[in-house]
Amino acid sequence: QKEVEQNSGPLSVPEGAIASLNCTYSDRGSQSFFWYRQYSGKSPELIMSIYSNGDKEDGRFTAQLNKASQYVSLLIRDSQPSDSATYLCAVSAKDMRFGAGTRLTVKP
Amino acid sequence: KAGVTQTPRYLIKTRGQQVTLSCSPISGHRSVSWYQQTPGQGLQFLFEYFSETQRNKGNFPGRFSGRQFSNSRSEMNVSTLELGDSALYLCASSLGIEQPQHFGDGTRLSIL
Repeated sequence: QKEVEQNSGPLSVPEGAIASLNCTYSDRGSQSFFWYRQYSGKSPELIMSIYSNGDKEDGRFTAQLNKASQYVSLLIRDSQPSDSATYLCAVSAKDMRFGAGTRLTVKP
Repeated sequence: KAGVTQTPRYLIKTRGQQVTLSCSPISGHRSVSWYQQTPGQGLQFLFEYFSETQRNKGNFPGRFSGRQFSNSRSEMNVSTLELGDSALYLCASSLGIEQPQHFGDGTRLSIL
């Protein structure tokens, strides 16, 4: 079992729709959770951090954490073509572990 | 505020050579982590340094080593390069353990 698993994708949504990205992790001791966006040919860029159960909203982005289910998700509302990128879930326990990423395409 | 700076941006080496990559973290950040990114394996953790001490190490052979200096700058060294070492090497810095990491632009290493 991989330590951090994400939907392999690719995920395609129409412009204006909600994109839902999911992530599960195996280490129950994990305390910090992050979502990164990586455009093709660029380095990962931090977009959300979440540390406690529940929802955390930042603009069009909402991160959701459920430690009991070992599940983290990212919702992108009103998706734009500029949101097309690979989204990486990262989980920190002893060290930072990244999922393989989900490629999102937002079609105009 | 300057971001994470990695040098060089691109590097071409041949098998058997060694290489040193450099990373200057964001001012005030004491933790520096290194990752290898390849299309097939994704982002793989190499090691993390905090206050000049290696805190964690990923599952890479001993050919991969690193160090951190008193000013938090870090270097990564790869000896006896192999074709499979061709990858994008990313450095990330953070204020501390389990804090958000901020990535540099990376060094793209190609082995011929």
